[in-house]
Amino acid sequence: AQSVTQLDSHVSVSEGTPVLLRCNYSSSYSPSLFWYVQHPNKGLQLLLKYTSAATLVKGINGFEAEFKKSETSFHLTKPSAHMSDAAEYFCASVSGGYNKLIFGAGTRLAVHP
Amino acid sequence: NAGVTQTPKFRILKIGQSMTLQCTQDMNHNYMYWYRQDPGMGLKLIYYSVGAGITDKGEVPNGYNVSRSTTEDFPLRLELAAPSQTSVYFCASSYVQATEAFFGQGTRLTVV
Repeated sequence: AQSVTQLDSHVSVSEGTPVLLRCNYSSSYSPSLFWYVQHPNKGLQLLLKYTSAATLVKGINGFEAEFKKSETSFHLTKPSAHMSDAAEYFCASVSGGYNKLIFGAGTRLAVHP
Repeated sequence: NAGVTQTPKFRILKIGQSMTLQCTQDMNHNYMYWYRQDPGMGLKLIYYSVGAGITDKGEVPNGYNVSRSTTEDFPLRLELAAPSQTSVYFCASSYVQATEAFFGQGTRLTVV
């Protein structure tokens, strides 16, 4: 079965400190994995995606994520948080054997001055 | 480009009423999706389509129906609205399954 688990519902960091948002996936097939961001009252915007090429993926706004098959993880990181990063972040997967784009429950990131 | 367009943006329904949420994309994408978003629950897949004439159930299809008669349009039908269907609904499309999905701006539906 295909599923996505985001391990933290809320993460709070200070501006200028590192960000780590955790995502684990479950899939019987090689997945494609995505991170999306949603700002208040907006639709979702793609941050980055993994589709079986390089395991370290760089995205927009300084975010990156590393695909670790042995840990079934795809954690999102950023070296230095900015106030504008405050938003909700969603991890998503599509598996080769399925056509469904499935999302995790989301992680709300708060950034404090 | 318009991208993915959803109408209406807001709607209040009474229990038992029916309505159709419209979704149109102008990117010639094969895949289209309907999600509902509830606080703390993320996005739950309602229905999806891999091309015109082909639809399939997602995670939470009960109480909804869809059709895909053209590549561009993927309407979502609520036949007998219930308070549990109060949510924000998002439509999305992608060229194929492993490519970026583009989202509409959402429809906020309240059933009273």
